[in-house]
Amino acid sequence: SQTIHQWPATLVQPVGSPLSLECTVEGTSNPNLYWYRQAAGRGLQLLFYSVGIGQISSEVPQNLSASRPQDRQFILSSKKLLLSDSGFYLCAWRRVGGRAADTQYFGPGTRLTVL
Amino acid sequence: GQSLEQPSEVTAVEGAIVQINCTYQTSGFYGLSWYQQHDGGAPTFLSYNALDGLEETGRFSSFLSRSDSYGYLLLQELQMKDSASYFCAVRIGNNDMRFGAGTRLTVKP
Repeated sequence: SQTIHQWPATLVQPVGSPLSLECTVEGTSNPNLYWYRQAAGRGLQLLFYSVGIGQISSEVPQNLSASRPQDRQFILSSKKLLLSDSGFYLCAWRRVGGRAADTQYFGPGTRLTVL
Repeated sequence: GQSLEQPSEVTAVEGAIVQINCTYQTSGFYGLSWYQQHDGGAPTFLSYNALDGLEETGRFSSFLSRSDSYGYLLLQELQMKDSASYFCAVRIGNNDMRFGAGTRLTVKP
């Protein structure tokens, strides 16, 4: 079966500090991978998606970046955090093709607070 | 731009039926999905419609009318554990998903 891991679960960082959030998927190969951000009480904002190693598409211009160094690893980074970067960060994967092609499976999320 | 509209809050009693509507205006459309999210948790997939009509999965059903750019999630025999936020989502491209702002459902005894 497939599982998706994210760490850390919670993070408190000062403004201007760097960020690195990691997401790994097990039990599937060549998944489409996604990073979302959710502000408190709001919907999900798509930040980045990746269809393969080294392939990153950015949806929202901002001070965040993403990388996919391995097939099942997706990393979200920032060089200098802003207060507005606070939120719940969710990684998700989607199986490509087949009846379940529109099902996204989400990781447990990282709750980031920037102070 | 892309927009998905759904009510912000819905309240219902245990055992009742509730319908959560979603209207969308998007540049592309490959399908409408529904996700459930409990407080503090991650979203989980509930249902998906690519074609017009009703899809039934246990107590949950989802409907789509592409000509009206409209869909809904129907929850029957409501239980307390159904209290959560429900999001509609549209895949607008091969890999691009857009989510609505979510509907917070409160189920009362």
